[in-house]
Amino acid sequence: GNSVTQMEGPVTLSEEAFLTINCTYTATGYPSLFWYVQYPGEGLQLLLKATKADDKGSNKGFEATYRKETTSFHLEKGSVQVSDSAVYFCALSSDSNYQLIWGAGTKLIIKP
Amino acid sequence: GAVVSQHPSWVICKSGTSVKIECRSLDFQATTMFWYRQFPKQSLMLMATSNEGSKATYEQGVEKDKFLINHASLTLSTLTVTSAHPEDSSFYICSAREGMGFPNYEQYFGPGTRLTVT
Repeated sequence: GNSVTQMEGPVTLSEEAFLTINCTYTATGYPSLFWYVQYPGEGLQLLLKATKADDKGSNKGFEATYRKETTSFHLEKGSVQVSDSAVYFCALSSDSNYQLIWGAGTKLIIKP
Repeated sequence: GAVVSQHPSWVICKSGTSVKIECRSLDFQATTMFWYRQFPKQSLMLMATSNEGSKATYEQGVEKDKFLINHASLTLSTLTVTSAHPEDSSFYICSAREGMGFPNYEQYFGPGTRLTVT
C-alpha cells in the first residue's frame, strides 16, 4: 500500500542554517505530494505541494521537488529562522481517492 | 479563504460522559470532511471520512458506535465521543474538502480539539 517515511526528529538547528527534512514515499500511480506545517498551538497548514514528477513546490522560502526516480520529496530551506520552529509533515494523496497518507512528522527546533 | 473552525478548542470531561466536537467550513461548502486523531509526538491517524448526507466511512479499528459522526450539512460535521474513557484523551482534528476532482481535492484543516477525559 501507499506509505510515507520521513526523518525522525527533533531536528535542531541554529538560525540561518540550511535545512533538509527527508521524505520518501511508496505509492502506485501518480500521487500528489504535500508538506504540511503545524506551529505550536495551531492547526495544520499546507506549506507546499507538487502534483507531478519534477514539479517544485515552494512557499515562505521552503521548497521541495517531486523526484519520481528516487520517490522522494525532501523539504529544504536555505536559511531558517526561529519562527520556522514547528512540526513538519510530509503526505501524499493517491490519484484514486485523494485521501492523505501521512508521514510521522518531524519536529524542527531553531535556536537563536 | 478556505477556513475550517472547530469547537470547542479544548474540553475536559468525566469518564462515562459524551462529548460533541463541531467542525465547520466557514467560507466554502465541504462535500467531504475527515476526522483525525493525533497522539503526542505521532502522526495523524485517519478515523473516518464523511460525505454530506450519507453515513461516515470508518477506518479499520475505529469503533463506529463510540465515535459517532454526523455530516448533516455542507458546512458542518460533528464527532461525538460516547461514554468517553481516559484512553480517548487525544487531539482530534477535522479537515474539509470542497470536491473530489482536481484541483478541489485539497483538504483544509481545523485547529484541533484537545480532549481530556478524567
